[in-house]
Order: sequence, then structure tokens, then C-alpha cells
Amino acid sequence: QVQLQQWGAGLLKPSETLSLTCAVSGGSFTNYYWTWIRQSPGKGLEWIGENNHRGSSRYNPSLQSRVTISVDTSKKHVSLSLASVTAADSAVYFCTRSWSSGYYSDSWGQGTLVTVSS
Amino acid sequence: EIVLTQSPGTLSLSPGEGATFSCRASQSITYTSLAWYQQKPGQAPRLLIYGASNRATGIPDRFSGSGSGTDFTLSISRLEPEDFAVYYCQQYQQFATSVPTFGGGTKVEIK
Repeated sequence: QVQLQQWGAGLLKPSETLSLTCAVSGGSFTNYYWTWIRQSPGKGLEWIGENNHRGSSRYNPSLQSRVTISVDTSKKHVSLSLASVTAADSAVYFCTRSWSSGYYSDSWGQGTLVTVSS
Repeated sequence: EIVLTQSPGTLSLSPGEGATFSCRASQSITYTSLAWYQQKPGQAPRLLIYGASNRATGIPDRFSGSGSGTDFTLSISRLEPEDFAVYYCQQYQQFATSVPTFGGGTKVEIK
């Protein structure tokens, strides 16, 4: 049974960079795409982007200029970086697994609350 | 971008009753690429249905999905106490240029 355990800083100031990491255990890392999805009261669930072990990354156009999703296959880690955050980036961020690009998520991390405030 | 509209916003029902709610897309979804999730407070969403009508692993058969094109439905035949939650639909397209999007959710609350 796959488990996704995520962590990262929960309180940021405007203009800082959000950094979250997700560790995958109990399943294959190379057979899937790894995505980040965020959830806020104002915008609901929003797909941020994805990557896989081959580096086939894709991002939501609304965030593309600020976001990077990287993978470390040796550690089975997936990382999210979002630059120049504002209050609008305050949300719960989820790491998820999809079996193909742009697909539904069949496993989710526990979520990390990120608050951006001066 | 495909916009998904879920209705109603809230359903007030009693345990044992059936529930049906809707997800309508702003344009036709190809290959019935529509998923449903259940989310309880403080938890991550859980996949219930994919491909519009296929139950995910471990999902009870009281949950069923149907629909095609722009109109999709999730039904719960007999509500159990653990089914009171928020339900979201998501459209997805493999290797598409557009990104997956989610509906705004339907909350099923105890009457």
C-alpha cells in the first residue's frame, strides 16, 4: 500500500518561496506521475502540476512562471517549489499519485497547510 | 479550460436515504474522463469513481457513477453515517494540453 508523507514550511511571508517535499513509500516510484494539488476556500481544488522519473513535467498555465516540481528517484521524493508567494497562495497543498499524465489521483498525501502573511 | 459545475451545493439527508448529485461540464469530456472524490473534514480527498462509472479499489457498491458528454451523476444508494462528507468531481485528459479541473463540491449533511 503506497504512502505519501509530505512536509515543509507552513508560514511564509509575501515574496518568499514555498518549498514542500513528499516521500513515497510502499510502492513503485517510476510507474507513476507525481502531482501537486492545492485547496483553498476561495479557489477550491486546483491542479498545480506533475512530473515523473523521466522529468516529464507539466504545469498549470496560471502558475507556470513560478512553479517547479522536481523528483529524486533515488530517494523517492517529489518536491514543489513556488516562488514569489502572495496571500492568494495560502492553501492546503497535497502531493498525489497519478498513473498517467493529467490523470485522476488515486493516492494522496495528508496535506500541508501553507499560510502567507506579513 | 473545462469548468465543472456541481449541484446542489448542499444536500440534507438522513442515514438510509439515497443521494444523487450532478456534475455538469462546460464542454464535452472525451472518453468519459470524469472522477469523483469524497473528502471529510481535515482529510485529503479519496478517489471513489474514475472513468465516470468505475469504482476505485475498496469502494463499496452503494456508490455508483454514470453519465457522458457534459452531464455526470454520482449516486449513493443508502447513506451510511460515514458517507456524510463533501464530494468533488474532476475532469482529466491523458497527455492533454489542458489541465485537470475540479468542481466546487457538493456537501452531504445529516438532516
